[in-house]
Amino acid sequence: GAVVSQHPSRVICKSGTSVKIECRSLDFQATTMFWYRQFPKQSLMLMATSNEGSKATYEQGVEKDKFLINHASLTLSTLTVTSAHPEDSSFYICSAHGQMNTEAFFGQGTRLTVV
Amino acid sequence: AQSVTQLGSHVSVSEGALVLLRCNYSSSVPPYLFWYVQYPNQGLQLLLKYTTGATLVKGINGFEAEFKKSETSFHLTKPSAHMSDAAEYFCAVGFSGGYQKVTFGTGTKLQVIP
Repeated sequence: GAVVSQHPSRVICKSGTSVKIECRSLDFQATTMFWYRQFPKQSLMLMATSNEGSKATYEQGVEKDKFLINHASLTLSTLTVTSAHPEDSSFYICSAHGQMNTEAFFGQGTRLTVV
Repeated sequence: AQSVTQLGSHVSVSEGALVLLRCNYSSSVPPYLFWYVQYPNQGLQLLLKYTTGATLVKGINGFEAEFKKSETSFHLTKPSAHMSDAAEYFCAVGFSGGYQKVTFGTGTKLQVIP
């Protein structure tokens, strides 16, 4: 299957700082990427949908000014958690779709810990 | 609107026993259905999917699932559990009109007892 690389896999940051997470499709062009957040022992909650070259579409309740998403190319989307707080600590996962795919390919996830 | 219900947040089976993870869905249009597996601190890996055609779908690692429209179910099975099957399993539903956006169930954690 297609490969999606997410980086970093783990990050610890201080409260008030910003953290950038990258999601790359390595062997296909991802027209759409999705960002999810997963709390411990819970399912994946969609945060936003990112289409290359356009603004991301955020799900209800997700602060777009706090979670900045950029999808500048067909192989890269980034999620920046701005002014991070301990409650932002979570597991963030991206997924990517190509035009011909019927399923999403997931990155390995990023464990964010805000101290 | 679409939704997914996974019955049982935790399932324990003995090694070599049948694995059955239940998933029921709700969708106003013909669904695409997926099962994903997640190992600790990792992303999701697709086990199998149903889009159209044969309702019995075979996936990786010996898993299979059957789409039953009348029961709105897509249960995941494996005849004989292996220790390496211990993980969290997510059922998800999408649809052909917007297959990229899927709704996930709450997950079932499978424990395999030696």
